[in-house]
Amino acid sequence: EAGVAQSPRYKIIEKRQSVAFWCNPISGHATLYWYQQILGQGPKLLIQFQNNGVVDDSQLPKDRFSAERLKGVDSTLKIQPAKLEDSAVYLCASSPQGGGTGELFFGEGSRLTVL
Amino acid sequence: AQKITQTQPGMFVQEKEAVTLDCTYDTSDPSYGLFWYKQPSSGEMIFLIYQGSYDQQNATEGRYSLNFQKARKSANLVISASQLGDSAMYFCAMREANTGNQFYFGTGTSLTVIP
Repeated sequence: EAGVAQSPRYKIIEKRQSVAFWCNPISGHATLYWYQQILGQGPKLLIQFQNNGVVDDSQLPKDRFSAERLKGVDSTLKIQPAKLEDSAVYLCASSPQGGGTGELFFGEGSRLTVL
Repeated sequence: AQKITQTQPGMFVQEKEAVTLDCTYDTSDPSYGLFWYKQPSSGEMIFLIYQGSYDQQNATEGRYSLNFQKARKSANLVISASQLGDSAMYFCAMREANTGNQFYFGTGTSLTVIP
């Protein structure tokens, strides 16, 4: 079974530029999460999708961040314009709907450096 | 209020000894799950162990066990016979079933195993 795929793994941009991250969850997983993890801190939820609907985006800085999950499968997280404090690892995770323990399956993350 | 509290920023343990990583949680949802994840320096998040709120017995997975004290709202991770490869960040997390399966993470504990 293929895991959660994320790209790019690394991205370096100047402040005020834009960047987009892509995530393809495990096949059949209904729930998809985007987390921001700043160095030395725990993951912070940015947005949670259930199929293609948003469950929680209360901590998403909507003036610069946007995310979509078209057709309830893969998802894109965009930052425009980027700020220095956006430097972090962006983790995508997915979880099946019902059954099992409901743990999150994480991708390898996309490391963003804003200069 | 913090949903997940990890009060130990850093811990040291001698190789082959046991270590306990603390975690307390806050929820009014009667149905929830508690998780521990390991994050090595490479960055991937590795699921270790799960405890459901209705589980009567403490969860165990190999050298990992979860000391679940429901009345105290604590879910400490015990690692027995520590190995050098256990050196990593450890995150406690909680999923609340009745709030859209939102996942909350603590700030993490950095564990260093000393040879």
